[in-house]
Amino acid sequence: GNSVTQMEGPVTLSEEAFLTINCTYTATGYPSLFWYVQYPGEGLQLLLKATKADDKGSNKGFEATYRKETTSFHLEKGSVQVSDSAVYFCALSRIQGAQKLVFGQGTRLTINP
Amino acid sequence: NAGVMQNPRHLVRRRGQEARLRCSPMKGHSHVYWYRQLPEEGLKFMVYLQKENIIDESGMPKERFSAEFPKEGPSILRIQQVVRGDSAAYFCASSPRSAGTNEKLFFGSGTQLSVL
Repeated sequence: GNSVTQMEGPVTLSEEAFLTINCTYTATGYPSLFWYVQYPGEGLQLLLKATKADDKGSNKGFEATYRKETTSFHLEKGSVQVSDSAVYFCALSRIQGAQKLVFGQGTRLTINP
Repeated sequence: NAGVMQNPRHLVRRRGQEARLRCSPMKGHSHVYWYRQLPEEGLKFMVYLQKENIIDESGMPKERFSAEFPKEGPSILRIQQVVRGDSAAYFCASSPRSAGTNEKLFFGSGTQLSVL
Protein backbone atom coordinates (compact mmCIF):
# COMPACT_ATOMS: atom_id res chain seq x y z
CA GLY A 1 0.00 0.00 0.00
CA ASN A 2 0.91 3.66 0.02
CA SER A 3 2.91 4.92 2.98
CA VAL A 4 5.12 7.79 4.11
CA THR A 5 8.00 7.53 6.57
CA GLN A 6 9.42 10.63 8.20
CA MET A 7 12.44 11.36 10.25
CA GLU A 8 11.59 10.89 13.89
CA GLY A 9 11.50 13.89 16.12
CA PRO A 10 11.67 15.96 18.03
CA VAL A 11 14.35 17.98 16.29
CA THR A 12 15.94 20.90 18.10
CA LEU A 13 18.21 23.38 16.33
CA SER A 14 19.69 26.78 16.94
CA GLU A 15 18.61 29.77 14.93
CA GLU A 16 20.35 30.05 11.52
CA ALA A 17 21.19 26.35 11.47
CA PHE A 18 20.64 24.21 8.36
CA LEU A 19 17.55 22.02 8.46
CA THR A 20 16.86 18.67 6.84
CA ILE A 21 13.81 16.59 7.63
CA ASN A 22 13.89 13.27 5.79
CA CYS A 23 10.85 11.82 4.09
CA THR A 24 10.60 8.65 2.04
CA TYR A 25 7.54 7.11 0.50
CA THR A 26 6.14 3.90 -0.89
CA ALA A 27 3.53 4.17 -3.62
CA THR A 28 2.47 2.64 -6.88
CA GLY A 29 2.73 4.83 -9.93
CA TYR A 30 3.45 8.53 -9.65
CA PRO A 31 2.12 10.17 -6.52
CA SER A 32 2.08 13.87 -5.79
CA LEU A 33 4.12 14.83 -2.74
CA PHE A 34 3.47 17.49 -0.13
CA TRP A 35 4.86 19.08 2.99
CA TYR A 36 2.35 20.48 5.48
CA VAL A 37 3.20 22.56 8.54
CA GLN A 38 1.21 22.91 11.75
CA TYR A 39 2.07 25.90 13.91
CA PRO A 40 1.05 25.76 17.58
CA GLY A 41 -2.71 26.03 18.01
CA GLU A 42 -3.42 26.12 14.28
CA GLY A 43 -4.53 23.76 11.54
CA LEU A 44 -2.24 22.16 8.99
CA GLN A 45 -1.16 24.44 6.16
CA LEU A 46 0.27 23.42 2.83
CA LEU A 47 3.93 24.44 2.79
CA LEU A 48 4.98 23.15 -0.63
CA LYS A 49 4.28 20.41 -3.13
CA ALA A 50 5.69 18.63 -6.17
CA THR A 51 3.64 16.67 -8.66
CA LYS A 52 6.24 14.87 -10.77
CA ALA A 53 9.76 13.50 -10.61
CA ASP A 54 12.57 16.09 -10.32
CA ASP A 55 10.11 18.88 -9.48
CA LYS A 56 11.27 21.17 -6.71
CA GLY A 57 8.69 22.69 -4.41
CA SER A 58 9.65 25.83 -2.51
CA ASN A 59 8.06 28.30 -0.14
CA LYS A 60 9.21 30.57 2.71
CA GLY A 61 12.82 29.47 2.23
CA PHE A 62 11.94 25.78 2.43
CA GLU A 63 12.65 23.44 -0.47
CA ALA A 64 12.02 19.80 -1.31
CA THR A 65 12.86 17.88 -4.49
CA TYR A 66 10.83 14.93 -5.74
CA ARG A 67 13.39 12.13 -6.16
CA LYS A 68 11.82 9.12 -7.81
CA GLU A 69 15.04 7.09 -7.85
CA THR A 70 15.32 7.26 -4.06
CA THR A 71 11.55 7.66 -3.41
CA SER A 72 12.32 10.67 -1.25
CA PHE A 73 11.08 14.21 -0.68
CA HIS A 74 13.37 15.63 1.98
CA LEU A 75 12.58 19.08 3.37
CA GLU A 76 15.45 21.56 3.63
CA LYS A 77 16.01 25.13 4.74
CA GLY A 78 19.33 26.90 4.75
CA SER A 79 18.85 29.09 7.81
CA VAL A 80 16.01 28.42 10.22
CA GLN A 81 14.28 30.98 12.43
CA VAL A 82 12.52 30.70 15.77
CA SER A 83 9.23 31.22 13.91
CA ASP A 84 9.81 27.96 12.00
CA SER A 85 9.10 26.00 15.19
CA ALA A 86 6.18 23.75 14.29
CA VAL A 87 5.23 20.18 13.39
CA TYR A 88 6.02 19.22 9.79
CA PHE A 89 4.12 16.50 7.93
CA CYS A 90 5.16 14.84 4.70
CA ALA A 91 2.28 13.46 2.64
CA LEU A 92 1.44 11.87 -0.69
CA SER A 93 -1.65 11.72 -2.82
CA ARG A 94 -2.47 9.04 -5.37
CA ILE A 95 -6.08 9.70 -6.20
CA GLN A 96 -7.04 12.34 -8.71
CA GLY A 97 -10.28 14.13 -8.06
CA ALA A 98 -10.69 13.14 -4.42
CA GLN A 99 -7.61 13.97 -2.46
CA LYS A 100 -6.95 11.24 0.06
CA LEU A 101 -3.67 12.28 1.53
CA VAL A 102 -1.41 9.70 3.15
CA PHE A 103 0.60 11.37 5.91
CA GLY A 104 3.79 10.62 7.73
CA GLN A 105 3.75 10.74 11.50
CA GLY A 106 5.01 14.32 11.70
CA THR A 107 8.27 15.79 12.94
CA ARG A 108 8.26 18.35 15.73
CA LEU A 109 10.85 21.08 15.13
CA THR A 110 11.98 23.49 17.82
CA ILE A 111 14.30 26.37 17.02
CA ASN A 112 16.13 28.01 19.91
CA PRO A 113 17.30 31.62 19.71
CA ASN B 1 -12.23 35.22 5.96
CA ALA B 2 -12.68 32.62 8.63
CA GLY B 3 -10.79 29.41 8.09
CA VAL B 4 -12.05 25.92 8.73
CA MET B 5 -13.62 25.97 12.19
CA GLN B 6 -13.71 22.89 14.36
CA ASN B 7 -15.32 22.58 17.74
CA PRO B 8 -14.85 21.75 20.40
CA ARG B 9 -11.06 21.99 20.57
CA HIS B 10 -10.97 19.45 23.36
CA LEU B 11 -13.62 16.87 24.15
CA VAL B 12 -13.56 14.50 27.09
CA ARG B 13 -15.89 11.52 27.17
CA ARG B 14 -16.25 8.44 29.34
CA ARG B 15 -16.32 5.01 27.77
CA GLY B 16 -19.74 4.26 26.29
CA GLN B 17 -20.73 7.89 25.73
CA GLU B 18 -21.24 9.56 22.37
CA ALA B 19 -18.87 12.10 20.85
CA ARG B 20 -19.97 14.69 18.30
CA LEU B 21 -17.31 16.66 16.48
CA ARG B 22 -18.26 19.65 14.35
CA CYS B 23 -16.60 21.17 11.34
CA SER B 24 -17.61 24.34 9.52
CA PRO B 25 -15.78 24.54 6.19
CA MET B 26 -14.43 27.72 4.74
CA LYS B 27 -17.02 29.95 3.11
CA GLY B 28 -17.79 28.73 -0.37
CA HIS B 29 -16.34 25.26 0.21
CA SER B 30 -18.69 22.36 -0.41
CA HIS B 31 -16.24 19.47 0.09
CA VAL B 32 -15.22 18.22 3.53
CA TYR B 33 -12.68 15.63 4.57
CA TRP B 34 -12.15 14.08 8.01
CA TYR B 35 -8.80 12.73 9.17
CA ARG B 36 -7.77 11.08 12.42
CA GLN B 37 -4.36 11.21 14.06
CA LEU B 38 -3.68 8.52 16.64
CA PRO B 39 -0.81 9.13 19.08
CA GLU B 40 2.61 8.87 17.42
CA GLU B 41 1.05 8.28 13.99
CA GLY B 42 0.34 10.33 10.90
CA LEU B 43 -3.08 11.62 9.94
CA LYS B 44 -5.23 8.96 8.35
CA PHE B 45 -8.09 9.63 5.95
CA MET B 46 -11.52 8.71 7.25
CA VAL B 47 -14.26 10.11 5.03
CA TYR B 48 -14.95 12.57 2.20
CA LEU B 49 -18.31 14.32 1.93
CA GLN B 50 -20.04 16.81 -0.28
CA LYS B 51 -23.21 18.55 0.76
CA GLU B 52 -25.73 15.83 1.67
CA ASN B 53 -23.58 13.08 0.15
CA ILE B 54 -20.90 10.71 1.38
CA ILE B 55 -18.44 10.32 -1.48
CA ASP B 56 -15.81 8.07 0.06
CA GLU B 57 -15.93 6.48 3.50
CA SER B 58 -13.25 3.88 2.92
CA GLY B 59 -11.28 5.04 5.97
CA MET B 60 -14.16 4.94 8.43
CA PRO B 61 -14.31 2.15 11.00
CA LYS B 62 -17.22 -0.12 10.15
CA GLU B 63 -19.03 0.33 13.45
CA ARG B 64 -19.86 3.22 15.77
CA PHE B 65 -18.57 5.95 13.41
CA SER B 66 -20.74 8.04 11.11
CA ALA B 67 -20.44 11.35 9.32
CA GLU B 68 -22.80 13.78 7.71
CA PHE B 69 -22.66 17.10 5.90
CA PRO B 70 -26.19 18.48 5.71
CA LYS B 71 -27.43 21.10 3.32
CA GLU B 72 -27.37 23.63 6.15
CA GLY B 73 -24.95 23.65 9.04
CA PRO B 74 -21.62 22.07 9.82
CA SER B 75 -20.33 18.62 9.04
CA ILE B 76 -20.63 16.27 12.01
CA LEU B 77 -18.45 13.30 12.85
CA ARG B 78 -20.29 11.12 15.34
CA ILE B 79 -18.73 8.38 17.42
CA GLN B 80 -21.11 6.21 19.40
CA GLN B 81 -20.17 4.23 22.51
CA VAL B 82 -16.63 5.58 22.56
CA VAL B 83 -13.72 3.39 23.68
CA ARG B 84 -10.26 4.39 24.88
CA GLY B 85 -8.82 3.56 21.45
CA ASP B 86 -10.89 6.38 19.95
CA SER B 87 -8.72 8.93 21.78
CA ALA B 88 -7.06 10.92 19.02
CA ALA B 89 -6.92 14.25 17.24
CA TYR B 90 -9.62 14.56 14.58
CA PHE B 91 -8.94 17.01 11.78
CA CYS B 92 -11.35 18.39 9.24
CA ALA B 93 -10.34 19.87 5.90
CA SER B 94 -12.33 21.57 3.17
CA SER B 95 -11.94 22.52 -0.47
CA PRO B 96 -14.07 24.48 -2.89
CA ARG B 97 -14.32 21.58 -5.29
CA SER B 98 -13.14 18.03 -5.56
CA ALA B 99 -9.51 18.18 -4.51
CA GLY B 100 -7.15 16.87 -7.11
CA THR B 101 -3.46 17.50 -7.08
CA ASN B 102 -4.01 21.12 -8.12
CA GLU B 103 -6.47 21.83 -5.37
CA LYS B 104 -5.48 22.80 -1.89
CA LEU B 105 -7.03 21.41 1.25
CA PHE B 106 -7.57 23.84 4.11
CA PHE B 107 -7.37 22.23 7.53
CA GLY B 108 -8.94 23.12 10.82
CA SER B 109 -7.07 23.10 14.13
CA GLY B 110 -8.51 19.76 15.10
CA THR B 111 -10.52 18.34 17.98
CA GLN B 112 -8.62 16.40 20.61
CA LEU B 113 -10.85 13.60 21.88
CA SER B 114 -9.91 12.00 25.16
CA VAL B 115 -11.81 8.94 26.35
CA LEU B 116 -11.53 8.17 30.05
